Amino acid sequence: DSGVTQTPKHLITATGQRVTLRCSPRSGDLSVYWYQQSLDQGLQFLIQYYNGEERAKGNILERFSAQQFPDLHSELNLSSLELGDSALYFCASTPGGPSYEQYFGPGTRLTVT
Amino acid sequence: ILNVEQSPQSLHVQEGDSTNFTCSFPSSNFYALHWYRWETAKSPEALFVMTLNGDEKKKGRISATLNTKEGYSYLYIKGSQPEDSATYLCAFIKRRETSGSRLTFGEGTQLTVNP
Repeated sequence: DSGVTQTPKHLITATGQRVTLRCSPRSGDLSVYWYQQSLDQGLQFLIQYYNGEERAKGNILERFSAQQFPDLHSELNLSSLELGDSALYFCASTPGGPSYEQYFGPGTRLTVT
Repeated sequence: ILNVEQSPQSLHVQEGDSTNFTCSFPSSNFYALHWYRWETAKSPEALFVMTLNGDEKKKGRISATLNTKEGYSYLYIKGSQPEDSATYLCAFIKRRETSGSRLTFGEGTQLTVNP
């Protein structure tokens, strides 16, 4: 158990819908990263937050947005969902920046039908 | 687009064999390299974070080396065990720019250790 929690574990929704994925980092960790793993692709970095502020952006679509709240939990919002958005979404937390090990949550499996 | 390549793509070894695999990354603007172990149906687990040229890190039977000048890192597993079966991922981080640092993952090396 990494200490990072993600909810929900599984999510099934229809095209065009909007969903919110939630991540609670390890106690004391200030930085949260979001990743997407699709069937035909490796692990893709989406976005990083540090202490409430966006720090780095990766291959995140405009239909997706994220935020980190004062209590340091983070949410990833996915809207106008398409079939291709079906993937495993991980969040990871670290005490600081990219020179620290990342602790991954168990992931949210999103299926868009 | 940053190119992070891992080889081989997959590897089958016998229990007790020692093995190694490679992660290649751009040699310019290096900031850090991460290694992760990812078992099926679980989430990635950090092995090492390497930041300095010539770094060598070890955790039990697993060790890693780093050459930032030529852009590669090796991961070694001594005396492989069936429980070492997993996908081993490396992630490259470019030197921080104004937009922050992003991780670029390789496709991974899938290791299977046969008893």
